[in-house]
Amino acid sequence: AQKITQTQPGMFVQEKEAVTLDCTYDTSDQSYGLFWYKQPSSGEMIFLIYQGSYDEQNATEGRYSLNFQKARKSANLVISASQLGDSAMYFCAMREGDDYNTDKLIFGTGTRLQVFP
Amino acid sequence: SAVISQKPSRDICQRGTSLTIQCQVDSQVTMMFWYRQQPGQSLTLIATANQGSEATYESGFVIDKFPISRPNLTFSTLTVSNMSPEDSSIYLCSVGRQGGYEQYFGPGTRLTVT
Repeated sequence: AQKITQTQPGMFVQEKEAVTLDCTYDTSDQSYGLFWYKQPSSGEMIFLIYQGSYDEQNATEGRYSLNFQKARKSANLVISASQLGDSAMYFCAMREGDDYNTDKLIFGTGTRLQVFP
Repeated sequence: SAVISQKPSRDICQRGTSLTIQCQVDSQVTMMFWYRQQPGQSLTLIATANQGSEATYESGFVIDKFPISRPNLTFSTLTVSNMSPEDSSIYLCSVGRQGGYEQYFGPGTRLTVT
């Protein structure tokens, strides 16, 4: 069965430093997608970045990059130049199957990131 | 990105009552997803709502407890029926981007049952 594992319940990082949030996944599907979301205390889920299983290059979106290591089944999120506003819960998620518009997401347990001055 | 709104944003309800949560999207989408996030927990899919057909429920969720409507391609409702304190959660709707891979979430409905 598909599964997402986030082993870091909490992380601390100093402002302006980079931080890596870990995510490993388990699936037997050849085609899948990996997502990272940010959830601030307000509760909304903010889409950050996406990596498709067939994408050869690591995804990047501004200060966010996804370190995709397919053989190791890991999809770590790297946040560069951390800001105080980055303090939030971060969830890794995986889409099952091939249909981008109809397939559900499976979520990890999340990592709480705290950025200090 | 899709613009998704939910109503209400939060509510406090008494046990035994029901609450209907609305989800409105600014564009037509094939599927809408309803998730639940219990306090301190991750997100769990409740059901997938397809326009014109019955919703598909995940294991552990039943239609009598969480009836869903999907009257058109931009709107869906989730009802939490006969509520108990264990239903206190954030309820979020989600849609996929047509022709793309992202999935976007509404702002959530924070429900407290007393």
